[in-house]
Amino acid sequence: AQRVTQPEKLLSVFKGAPVELKCNYSYSGSPELFWYVQYSRQRLQLLLRHISRESIKGFTADLNKGETSFHLKKPFAQEEDSAMYYCALRRPSGGSNYKLTFGKGTLLTVNP
Amino acid sequence: DAGVTQSPTHLIKTRGQQVTLRCSPKSGHDTVSWYQQALGQGPQFIFQYYEEEERQRGNFPDRFSGHQFPNYSSELNVNALLLGDSALYLCASRRSLADTGELFFGEGSRLTVL
Repeated sequence: AQRVTQPEKLLSVFKGAPVELKCNYSYSGSPELFWYVQYSRQRLQLLLRHISRESIKGFTADLNKGETSFHLKKPFAQEEDSAMYYCALRRPSGGSNYKLTFGKGTLLTVNP
Repeated sequence: DAGVTQSPTHLIKTRGQQVTLRCSPKSGHDTVSWYQQALGQGPQFIFQYYEEEERQRGNFPDRFSGHQFPNYSSELNVNALLLGDSALYLCASRRSLADTGELFFGEGSRLTVL
């Protein structure tokens, strides 16, 4: 069975400080990993996906298969980064599988 | 484009009753998934509909059923409601031919079972 663990329920940092939101997963194969974000009073939306190897809003995430982790990082946090962040996993599908398994989420607060 | 729209936004039911939640996908999307999000938890996959058929199902009892209509909109039905069914129900859509990994979520329907 696949599982996603986000060990921190709450994370509080000051503006300009580095931030790292942790995500660990359990899956025997090569999964696809995503970070979704929910800003206050907005709907859940995709932030980034590991296969794109992109940086969105200054955030990056590297898939570490050895440690089965997909931590989200940003070198300098901004107040507008305050939100709920969810790590999610999908089994490789060829397009027919769209079940996402989500972690419980981490609420990030960036203080001024 | 209004994106994914869900109705109702809030509703209250009593144990044993039945509920129907509705979802209209984002324009151009043909695949709809439903998720249950209990308080303090991440969304949990219920099922996915494509071409008016249930294609994939999560670990939910048969009390949870759904339907997809020819216009791609979808309904989630829950029978014999239990207190534990109280949650935010999220609908998500995507275009089947654009498998980018992105789901577009609605704002959810918050169900309270008393």
